[in-house]
Amino acid sequence: AQSVTQLGSHVSVSEGALVLLRCNYSSSVPPYLFWYVQYPNQGLQLLLKYTSAATLVKGINGFEAEFKKSETSFHLTKPSAHMSDAAEYFCAVGSGGGADGLTFGKGTHLIIQP
Amino acid sequence: NAGVMQNPRHLVRRRGQEARLRCSPMKGHSHVYWYRQLPEEGLKFMVYLQKENIIDESGMPKERFSAEFPKEGPSILRIQQVVRGDSAAYFCASSGTREYGTQYFGPGTRLTVL
Repeated sequence: AQSVTQLGSHVSVSEGALVLLRCNYSSSVPPYLFWYVQYPNQGLQLLLKYTSAATLVKGINGFEAEFKKSETSFHLTKPSAHMSDAAEYFCAVGSGGGADGLTFGKGTHLIIQP
Repeated sequence: NAGVMQNPRHLVRRRGQEARLRCSPMKGHSHVYWYRQLPEEGLKFMVYLQKENIIDESGMPKERFSAEFPKEGPSILRIQQVVRGDSAAYFCASSGTREYGTQYFGPGTRLTVL
C-alpha cells in the first residue's frame, strides 16, 4: 500500500522568498514520485518526476525536489517565488514496476504575497 | 501535438440521469487512467485501462460506474443513475509506457448533479 502526506494545506510566502512544499510518502516497493501543479479550473501539469536516477530532480519553472530515502521525503523547493507560482501543488507516488494508478496527497495551496 | 482531451468540460445532470465522460489520450499513448477529485481533496485513482481491456479497477465504486477503452475511439467513463455525491471533477490521464510512465492529464470534466 502507498500513501502520501503533504504537510500544510496552505503555504504563504512573499514574492522572491524561498518556496518549500513538504511531501512524505510510504511505499512497500521502490517508489517513483511526482510533483504536479494545478491552476484553478485546469488539469494537472507535471512539474518533475523521480524514478531512481539522480536524487535531486530539476523540473520546470525553476522548481526542484530532492529524494531522501532515509526520511521518505520528496520536498519541492524553488529559490525565489514568483506571483505566477500561486497554485495548488500535488505530490504523488507510483509503484513503478506495475502500472498502478498514482496515489496523490491532498495538495498544498501556495499563496504568494506581494 | 495535442495533449489529453476530455469532453465535455462541464456536465450538469439531474439525479437519476446518466453521465458519459470522454477522454482521448495523447497521440501514441495506449494507457488511460481515470481519477476523481472531490472539493478540497487530492485525486483518487479509479481505473486503469489499455485498449479493450480493464487492467485495474480497484478504485471504482462497485455500482453505477463503468469504464471502457474501445479499439477505436475515446475512453468512456459512464456513471448511471447519478447522485449528488457524484459531483466532482473527473480527470483522465494517459501514458505511453507501462513501467515508470509519466501520466499526462487532461483538463478534466466537472460534473454537477442537481
